[in-house]
Parts: sequence; structure tokens; C-alpha cells
Amino acid sequence: AQSVSQHNHHVILSEAASLELGCNYSYGGTVNLFWYVQYPGQHLQLLLKYFSGDPLVKGIKGFEAEFIKSKFSFNLRKPSVQWSDTAEYFCAVRSGGYNKLIFGAGTRLAVHP
Amino acid sequence: EAGVAQSPRYKIIEKRQSVAFWCNPISGHATLYWYQQILGQGPKLLIQFQNNGVVDDSQLPKDRFSAERLKGVDSTLKIQPAKLEDSAVYLCASSLIREASGYTFGSGTRLTVV
Repeated sequence: AQSVSQHNHHVILSEAASLELGCNYSYGGTVNLFWYVQYPGQHLQLLLKYFSGDPLVKGIKGFEAEFIKSKFSFNLRKPSVQWSDTAEYFCAVRSGGYNKLIFGAGTRLAVHP
Repeated sequence: EAGVAQSPRYKIIEKRQSVAFWCNPISGHATLYWYQQILGQGPKLLIQFQNNGVVDDSQLPKDRFSAERLKGVDSTLKIQPAKLEDSAVYLCASSLIREASGYTFGSGTRLTVV
């Protein structure tokens, strides 16, 4: 069965620190990969996605992610976080023909000023 | 573009009672999803509709949960009877049939079963 693992459940950083959130998936076929963000009290929003081509994808708000097929990974990065990045981040995988997303458990990020 | 609308935003019920949630997807989105997000976990797909047909309900506890999507637009998700472990946020999302940019999520309904 397909699954998504996010390694860190809680991350605490100071402003301007660099961020990397890990995501690994288990599926051998063609996959599409997503990172969603959920700010406090808001709905899930798409940060970035990977379908094909350049494995380094850039999203909104300065976020980027790198797809490494050999490691089944899709880690999220940001060189310098801000207090407003405080949120929960979810990695998700889509495979198969019915547009079904499988989510990881999420990583709660707290950024201190 | 209007987003995915869900109601109510919050609901508190006693165990063994019934509850229903409503979702209005983005106009023109053929596919509608209901997800359950338990505190500390990622969203889990309960049921997926394409137009008004079910394409995946493998994770739906069918002894107590039911969902329908009449006329391929609005959808309702019902729980009857509710259990304590049903406390969660119920998310509705919609997409085009082969959506390249992911889903659009609603704000969710937070259910507390006491």
C-alpha cells in the first residue's frame, strides 16, 4: 500500500534559520508529489507540486522542494524562515488514475521571532 | 473564484447521536472528496465521487458513515451513530477530473463527540 512518511512531527526554529522538512513515500510507479500548508485556523493550501521534469521545484513564499527518485524523497526547504511560516506542513503523493492523494502525518513548524 | 464551501464549521454532539456535514464544491469540479483529519494525523480519504458516482470508498466505515452527491454537485456526509473516535475535522475538497494543480480544500467541519 502507498504511504507517506514525514520524519519530524514538530520543528522549532528562530527567524532567518534554514528549514528542511523530510518526506519519503513508498510507491514504485509514477507519482505526483505535493506539499500543502495549513496556517492556524485556515484551510489547506498548495505550496508546490512535482509532476515531471526538473526535480527541483519552486513554490510560493520562497519554498522549494527536491524530488530524489532513488531515495523516494521529496524534501521541502526554505533558506530563511519567517514568523509567518508558522504552520503545519503536509507532504502528499498521488498515483493511479483517480486523482487520490495520500497524505503524511504532517510537521508542525513554529518560528520564533 | 469561490472556494469550496462547508458547513457547519463546528459541531458538538453526544456519542450515539447522528450528524451531517454539507459541502458545495467549486463550480465545474467533477470530483469531490471527503477526508477525515484526526488531531495529530494527516488527512485520510473517506470517499471520492466523480460526478455523482462513487469511485473510492474503501476507507469509509460503512456501518456508520454514509455520503451522497446528488446531481453531481453538493454532497453530504453523515455519521450515525457517532462514536468518540469520530472526533476530527472533516474536510471536503474538489478538483477537475485530472487536476494538474491538486485539490482545492474547504475550511472543514470540526466535530467533537462527547
